[in-house]
Amino acid sequence: AQKITQTQPGMFVQEKEAVTLDCTYDTSDPSYGLFWYKQPSSGEMIFLIYQGSYDQQNATEGRYSLNFQKARKSANLVISASQLGDSAMYFCAMRSDNYGQNFVFGPGTRLSVLP
Amino acid sequence: DAGITQSPRHKVTETGTPVTLRCHQTENHRYMYWYRQDPGHGLRLIHYSYGVKDTDKGEVSDGYSVSRSKTEDFLLTLESATSSQTSVYFCAISDAGARNEQFFGPGTRLTVL
Repeated sequence: AQKITQTQPGMFVQEKEAVTLDCTYDTSDPSYGLFWYKQPSSGEMIFLIYQGSYDQQNATEGRYSLNFQKARKSANLVISASQLGDSAMYFCAMRSDNYGQNFVFGPGTRLSVLP
Repeated sequence: DAGITQSPRHKVTETGTPVTLRCHQTENHRYMYWYRQDPGHGLRLIHYSYGVKDTDKGEVSDGYSVSRSKTEDFLLTLESATSSQTSVYFCAISDAGARNEQFFGPGTRLTVL
């Protein structure tokens, strides 16, 4: 079975500081992909970053980076230099090749950036 | 931004009535998905399609059916709506490739009274 765990229901960070959002996953498939999505209060889902299970380097996209620790099955999202516009729900998701197009999402973490 | 629209955006209906939600894409992506979002659960997959007339069940498919007669349209039908199906429904699309990331529509808020 596939499962995504996000243990932080809510997080606060001061503007301009870095923040790490935790994500652990469970799969027996050696080939999988990990995703992070952002959902602002307006409701849309925005793709942020992707990490493949065979990627040698941690993924980065602008201020977003993914701290991928395969042995620990963790895929934490790091946001550097937080901005007020980063306040949103953040979802970690996974797709395992053995499960086809069955994407699994975690329950999300609500990030609040304080001025 | 990926061209994905959902209709209607909001709907209020009564228990026992049929409801159909529509997802339309202009990206010619192969895969289309329907999710529901409920507090504390994140997004849960209802059904997905991997081509015209090719569909498969997701995690929470009971009470839902889907159809895809054209590449660009994916319909989600609640045959007889129940209050437990009150939720926000998202359509997503993706294409074949290494990343296979999904792009989401704006969502439909459905209330079943």
